[in-house]
Amino acid sequence: DTEVTQTPKHLVMGMTNKKSLKCEQHMGHRAMYWYKQKAKKPPELMFVYSYEKLSINESVPSRFSPECPNSSLLNLHLHALQPEDSALYLCASSQDRPTNEKLFFGSGTQLSVL
Amino acid sequence: SQELEQSPQSLIVQEGKNLTINCTSSKTLYGLYWYKQKYGEGLIFLMMLQKGGEEKSHEKITAKLDEKKQQSSLHITASQPSHAGIYLCGAVLGGYNFNKFYFGSGTKLNVKP
Repeated sequence: DTEVTQTPKHLVMGMTNKKSLKCEQHMGHRAMYWYKQKAKKPPELMFVYSYEKLSINESVPSRFSPECPNSSLLNLHLHALQPEDSALYLCASSQDRPTNEKLFFGSGTQLSVL
Repeated sequence: SQELEQSPQSLIVQEGKNLTINCTSSKTLYGLYWYKQKYGEGLIFLMMLQKGGEEKSHEKITAKLDEKKQQSSLHITASQPSHAGIYLCGAVLGGYNFNKFYFGSGTKLNVKP
């Protein structure tokens, strides 16, 4: 199994809603990533978990809350989002450091905030 | 990331023509990756380059890494409509956190039949 699975594929939410994005991999990878991609822009790094610990937070607003319950799962909890948070959210995983191993990407969750 | 610049930003070529996309880093590169993306979809891994002077090919796509210049190029020979998409270079920049993987600005490629 060389896949990163993201659910849901599409999500529409209001500004007062609470929702979660899910990401799963069964490749034994120890690093997992969240990226945000606006239309016609490259993916922007948000969070990185390494060995189930948050190692990078790129100054992301607190309305985005990551969670890594175990080495195979990564969640992104969303609360009180703004319309400008509408974007494609991509999850990725790597064996450890991406200096030697590529990142595997999921197909993303297209999020619309109304 | 502004530390990884790609050129050109967009490219329209006639089917069968060759093309080159460049990626330049303002920081030390610890490996350089090329990905392709169709609009609104996930990223497809193309190639990884780790050493200066390294060159890799897959089908009609060749990538090279010039470590001294902190630069990589992606060359497509005899382009086809299936090559259309967004090409992204990615790399770990800087040396204190090896999980900081950033992307370049992207190059949008259209191939006219």
